Amino acid sequence: EPEVTQTPSHQVTQMGQEVILRCVPISNHLYFYWYRQILGQKVEFLVSFYNNEISEKSEIFDDQFSVERPDGSNFTLKIRSTKLEDSAMYFCASSGWTNEQYFGPGTRLTVT
Amino acid sequence: RKEVEQDPGPFNVPEGATVAFNCTYSNSASQSFFWYRQDCRKEPKLLMSVYSSGNEDGRFTAQLNRASQYISLLIRDSKLSDSATYLCVVNTGRGYSTLTFGKGTMLLVSP
Repeated sequence: EPEVTQTPSHQVTQMGQEVILRCVPISNHLYFYWYRQILGQKVEFLVSFYNNEISEKSEIFDDQFSVERPDGSNFTLKIRSTKLEDSAMYFCASSGWTNEQYFGPGTRLTVT
Repeated sequence: RKEVEQDPGPFNVPEGATVAFNCTYSNSASQSFFWYRQDCRKEPKLLMSVYSSGNEDGRFTAQLNRASQYISLLIRDSKLSDSATYLCVVNTGRGYSTLTFGKGTMLLVSP
């Protein structure tokens, strides 16, 4: 069964550093998403991406964040200058023509 | 009013029991509704989409009441493996793809 994959599974970084989280969506999917979940809290939408551009973003997705699809398979989330409050689990998801979104296993980001 | 509200639980039930979860959502323009399950420190996994006519998948039945802005999930014949947090998820209407998650209802099934 096809699945979304994410790397790394855990990233530790110092405050102010840049991080890039990577995702490989399901191969025939067209819509890609990033969500985050702070420990003990609900899953929150960050951004959706379609046809090589951002289609929607939340208030959380400020100028520190960017997304890119550098090739035909990868989808990345970059945080330019990490803050302590960016520590969370980051989930990538993808969907086809329906809105059923399938999530990857997540990257746990720890900012120290 | 919170966008998606769920009773956090936990619901403690014995194996074989029937359990029901409810969820309310605030945006009347929402068009897509889902139940996901999430195991501790894992990703949300799609359990089922929820349709206006209601739908059933094995032991799981989902219902949608648009007039009351209410979604339910019924689990029959609970198994130990059903222990998880069940997330009610709604598209908020700001855009087709934006999903808003509830905080989840925890289910613990005991032998």
